[in-house]
Amino acid sequence: GAVVSQHPSRVICKSGTSVKIECRSLDFQATTMFWYRQFPKQSLMLMATSNEGSKATYEQGVEKDKFLINHASLTLSTLTVTSAHPEDSSFYICSASSGILYEQYFGPGTRLTVT
Amino acid sequence: ILNVEQSPQSLHVQEGDSTNFTCSFPSSNFYALHWYRWETAKSPEALFVMTLNGDEKKKGRISATLNTKEGYSYLYIKGSQPEDSATYLCAFQTGANNLFFGTGTRLTVIP
Repeated sequence: GAVVSQHPSRVICKSGTSVKIECRSLDFQATTMFWYRQFPKQSLMLMATSNEGSKATYEQGVEKDKFLINHASLTLSTLTVTSAHPEDSSFYICSASSGILYEQYFGPGTRLTVT
Repeated sequence: ILNVEQSPQSLHVQEGDSTNFTCSFPSSNFYALHWYRWETAKSPEALFVMTLNGDEKKKGRISATLNTKEGYSYLYIKGSQPEDSATYLCAFQTGANNLFFGTGTRLTVIP
């Protein structure tokens, strides 16, 4: 089956610093990638959708200048949390699709802790 | 934000027992309903995608049904095994790959 990796799996950073999370599709070309986050006891919430070579589309309430998404190739998307604050501490997970209807393959997620 | 609810939040069953969980979702703007199985520290794994009212899907001991008119789906596990222990997520799709997730049902199968 299709495999999506995410790196790092865990990261701790200091308030005010930036953190980059990578999402890679290992055995298929991902025309679309999605970024979700999950706060404790809540559901996965879509943050943004990115298509290769295009600007990401952000969901309402997600600051595009704070959560920078780059989808420069068909196998890699990155999410950079800029000037992270403790309230950004969350579980971030990506998914990828090759464009086949209904298909989304998820990475294992990244636990971000901002101290 | 669409409301997708799953129940129960968690449950413990004995090995060999059969069990089922519920996912309820809005009955309008339906496109598809997804079930995922999510083990700790792993990627959510797609189990089923259902698109038509009355759909029933089966994969080994796991099966799912769909009622789009009343807005619910059931996931059944027959003869639970310890390796079935995981969080089971449902996601409601309205179109264009936008998924709205429930909070999941955490299943623990006791040997």
